[in-house]
Amino acid sequence: EVQLVESGGGLMQPGGSLRLSCDASGFTVSSNYMSWVRQAPGKGLEWVSVIYDTGTTYYADSVKGRFTISRDNSKNTLYLQMNSLRGEDTAVYYCARDAHDWNYPTYCRDWGQGTLVTVSS
Amino acid sequence: EIVLTQSPGTLSLSPGERATLSCRASQSVRSSYLAWYQQKPGQAPRLLMYGASTRATGIPDRFSGSGSGTDFSLTISRLEPEDFAVYYCQQYAGSPRTFGQGTKVEMK
Repeated sequence: EVQLVESGGGLMQPGGSLRLSCDASGFTVSSNYMSWVRQAPGKGLEWVSVIYDTGTTYYADSVKGRFTISRDNSKNTLYLQMNSLRGEDTAVYYCARDAHDWNYPTYCRDWGQGTLVTVSS
Repeated sequence: EIVLTQSPGTLSLSPGERATLSCRASQSVRSSYLAWYQQKPGQAPRLLMYGASTRATGIPDRFSGSGSGTDFSLTISRLEPEDFAVYYCQQYAGSPRTFGQGTKVEMK
């Protein structure tokens, strides 16, 4: 059974840093396309970042240069390093396993339960 | 960036009624690369549909998807109590992948 469990969220001051983790079971993270998707309170979904099985990474313009997606193959864990946090980064952050078509990520087939990041002074 | 606009914002219906949700794209979505998700309060989204009309594993057949180009729809033929939720469409034809703003299906 596929399971994704996020952790690492919390209350941070603007300008601070935080690292989110997503522990995966039932599949191998390094063989899959994995994404982070966020949802601001009461708002819709926003794709944040993706890492391909090859290690190639992409980011939404809103987080480019501030967030870094990575994985630890030995731990089967996905990470999101978040630096220079802003109030608009306040959201529930979900990790998701993507389906892919050839070399392109498509839809999010499995989701974790999410972890809340609050950026406020 | 492909912008997705969902309508209506809220749909007020009774159990047993038919629900039709719309998702319109700002430009053509090639190969019907469109998915639908269901989200209940306090829960993660759940994949319902991909390729515009293919149900994900375990999704009951009262859910159906259709459309192509810029106009897509999700239909729930007879609403069950567990279907009252927020529904999002997502396109994966263009980068970045984008979501619609959601349609809430609420009980009348």
